[in-house]
Amino acid sequence: QSALTQPASVSGSPGQSITVSCTGTSSDVGGDNHVSWYQQHPGKAPKLMIYEVNNRPSGVSYRFSASKSGNTASLTISGLQAEDEADYYCTSYTSSDTWVFGGGTKLTVL
Amino acid sequence: QVQLVESGGGVVQPGRSLRLSCAAAGFTFSNTAMYWVRQAPGKGLEWVTFISYDGSRKYYADSVKGRFTISRDNSKNTLYLQMNSLRAEDTAVYYCAKDRTHTWSFDYWGQGTLVIVSS
Repeated sequence: QSALTQPASVSGSPGQSITVSCTGTSSDVGGDNHVSWYQQHPGKAPKLMIYEVNNRPSGVSYRFSASKSGNTASLTISGLQAEDEADYYCTSYTSSDTWVFGGGTKLTVL
Repeated sequence: QVQLVESGGGVVQPGRSLRLSCAAAGFTFSNTAMYWVRQAPGKGLEWVTFISYDGSRKYYADSVKGRFTISRDNSKNTLYLQMNSLRAEDTAVYYCAKDRTHTWSFDYWGQGTLVIVSS
């Protein structure tokens, strides 16, 4: 159950776009479409932002989008806003009936 | 609205046991798979365990297999995590989360309960 690989940090200026990558294996990210993304502000519980690779729950801004190619999933945030500064985690269901998270990416809005 | 409220955390000595509870409201608990996810201080999220809507399927992370047991009481809308043989590395905030139906994603989370394993 090795963690998915995410960059430790990314940054961008207000209005810009950023992308967070999440790399796994054919047993998790590449295996099916059960990849999801979470936003976590300091001291708060995580919030679901994307499910099943590229679906946004009701209430999540259209500025958040995601995709997957092979064993790598990606989260893109467009039109960066100060409130987007947070930690972002990807996760995937695996072929072993387990779930694995990425190590998390700290987004800084400059 | 959906509410998940964890309880039962605290300070416990290594080797001892603790049981966490998660009271659910605002959705049909008996039709919903549930999870426990933990986060060590200053660290990332770690999936701990899963239970199907009826309790017939349970899956565990290797780090807790054989020591932790997930269960549920659908008549009480409550999820449990029995933690035995606790280790220092089990120190974390433990969150319960509900499954966004059949998507294997965690769409609502509780506020978390802190477990500290220390002598």
